[in-house]
Amino acid sequence: KQEVTQIPAALSVPEGENLVLNCSFTDSAIYNLQWFRQDPGKGLTSLLLIQSSQREQTSGRLNASLDKSSGRSTLYIAASQPGDSATYLCAVLTDSWGKLQFGAGTQVVVTP
Amino acid sequence: NAGVMQNPRHLVRRRGQEARLRCSPMKGHSHVYWYRQLPEEGLKFMVYLQKENIIDESGMPKERFSAEFPKEGPSILRIQQVVRGDSAAYFCASSPSNDYEQYFGPGTRLTVT
Repeated sequence: KQEVTQIPAALSVPEGENLVLNCSFTDSAIYNLQWFRQDPGKGLTSLLLIQSSQREQTSGRLNASLDKSSGRSTLYIAASQPGDSATYLCAVLTDSWGKLQFGAGTQVVVTP
Repeated sequence: NAGVMQNPRHLVRRRGQEARLRCSPMKGHSHVYWYRQLPEEGLKFMVYLQKENIIDESGMPKERFSAEFPKEGPSILRIQQVVRGDSAAYFCASSPSNDYEQYFGPGTRLTVT
């Protein structure tokens, strides 16, 4: 059974520092991995999608890596800003039906 | 291209009533997924539908819950005889195919009093 874990559960950093968020999964047989951002009381915004054949994806200040064999993904956010404060979720696609399995999230606070 | 739309955004029901949650996928998307986020818990998959077909309902409670995605109109998640434990945020996502990026709606927050 696939389990997705995100560590740490919460993180507070001063503005300008780089953020490193970790996601681990127990079954390496995944189709893809997706990182999301969720603001309080809001929906999910997709940040990056990494296919199982890829090792990383980049978008602006965001970079996500994927090491399928070790069951890990890392989301890097460079030069953090207060607007980056949110909960970040990772999710893996483990079957061909498209059913995403989510981690519990990392709650990030960036202080000015 | 409008995003995934869900309505209502907030829904209050008394115990025993029925709740109907609607989801309109993005234009061109024929795959719809429903997820539930209970208070202080992560998102859990409920059901996956394509037009007129339920593909995977393994995450849906066996009783009181049903989902449909008709040929015309939005996908509907129906909860009959709601109980307090049904209070949660219900999110819908859509995708153009089953292994592509999923786009989420803003969610419907159901409160059962």
